[in-house]
Amino acid sequence: DQQVKQNSPSLSVQEGRISILNCDYTNSMFDYFLWYKKYPAEGPTFLISISSIKDKNEDGRFTVFLNKSAKHLSLHIVPSQPGDSAVYFCAVLGGGADGLTFGKGTHLIIQP
Amino acid sequence: NAGVTQTPKFQVLKTGQSMTLQCAQDMNHEYMSWYRQDPGMGLRLIHYSVGAGITDQGEVPNGYNVSRSTTEDFPLRLLSAAPSQTSVYFCASSRDTYNEKLFFGSGTQLSVL
Repeated sequence: DQQVKQNSPSLSVQEGRISILNCDYTNSMFDYFLWYKKYPAEGPTFLISISSIKDKNEDGRFTVFLNKSAKHLSLHIVPSQPGDSAVYFCAVLGGGADGLTFGKGTHLIIQP
Repeated sequence: NAGVTQTPKFQVLKTGQSMTLQCAQDMNHEYMSWYRQDPGMGLRLIHYSVGAGITDQGEVPNGYNVSRSTTEDFPLRLLSAAPSQTSVYFCASSRDTYNEKLFFGSGTQLSVL
């Protein structure tokens, strides 16, 4: 049973526009919500996180929104740049698990 | 600062062979873990350790063994490789157990024929 769902395997966005990546989760006991970014042949790298007591966290071009009532998390990238082309993983911490639980990932492609 | 180092980067095994994937970190992190990444499956936790001498199972532990004799090293052992273990393996570490900022190695691509 998937606890973290990223329903879009891929997303194509024009350079300079906004990229919105979505993530849904099932367990209301999760404490932290995170996004990791992965380039081919490299390990994932931490991008941004938000705790369950907040509904928004911003870091430069990246903003994460948390809607606890809908159990929904989104990552906004504005403006999108070619270097943003990568696989983005949504992850959660808490709910009794002893490590991060990851979604299946969304492949973001930034078109020139 | 090397961070998390994994060796080898690529490995091909025959069914039934054994091998050890090496992982070392130089950040004095207490928490270390192994994940596997399969197409369409995301990253799944195999085993983890919250400190030297302490290990535990994750979501997909069958067919793998781990040990943690030092803070720096966390090897993953495949005792009898199976084609279902063909995957990309990532080692990761963080300052402590309940820390969202995992640092990942660059991965080991394993093929079992």
